Amino acid sequence: DVKVTQSSRYLVKRTGEKVFLECVQDMDHENMFWYRQDPGLGLRLIYFSYDVKMKEKGDIPEGYSVSREKKERFSLILESASTNQTSMYLCASSLYSSEQYFGPGTRLTVT
Amino acid sequence: AQSVSQHNHHVILSEAASLELGCNYSYGGTVNLFWYVQYPGQHLQLLLKYFSGDPLVKGIKGFEAEFIKSKFSFNLRKPSVQWSDTAEYFCAVKDTDKLIFGTGTRLQVFP
Repeated sequence: DVKVTQSSRYLVKRTGEKVFLECVQDMDHENMFWYRQDPGLGLRLIYFSYDVKMKEKGDIPEGYSVSREKKERFSLILESASTNQTSMYLCASSLYSSEQYFGPGTRLTVT
Repeated sequence: AQSVSQHNHHVILSEAASLELGCNYSYGGTVNLFWYVQYPGQHLQLLLKYFSGDPLVKGIKGFEAEFIKSKFSFNLRKPSVQWSDTAEYFCAVKDTDKLIFGTGTRLQVFP
């Protein structure tokens, strides 16, 4: 079974803090993705990566950056957290263009 | 770029009722289509997928979906729902290496 793990299930941060969300997959997948999930908006792609040190902007990259130093790990960084970044963050991985496998999500609250 | 529309935002059914959730994508050609499900408190997981071949696709837990190219649709169906089908359902279409998700349909099934 593919396993995608995320470092925290719940996180509370203050406005202006730098926030790191970590994601690890154990199936040697090429592609990794970060989404945010908001009620009524579905899943929106923030960034994705199809190889180590490669990154591509998704639909809503503003205010976020990513890092992929190792194939199995993909980090999402909020340089200066703001209240409008309060959301559920989902990480996913896939082998090339096949279906994506999702982690459990991190519910981030920025106060 | 592709887009996905899910017309039913919230569906309420009694157990044993039949279910059909609508999904339309924006343009044709070769498409890869997916339905994902998110049970309360759980990971997003794949319900079924269509890549090619038989347009009637069977998935897990008795779900099926029909790809109708002329209607740009990929509706999800189940003949008889159970209380345990209460969840949020997302349709997605592959666009190059990314998945484009619909806004989701929340299904509530009452005993």
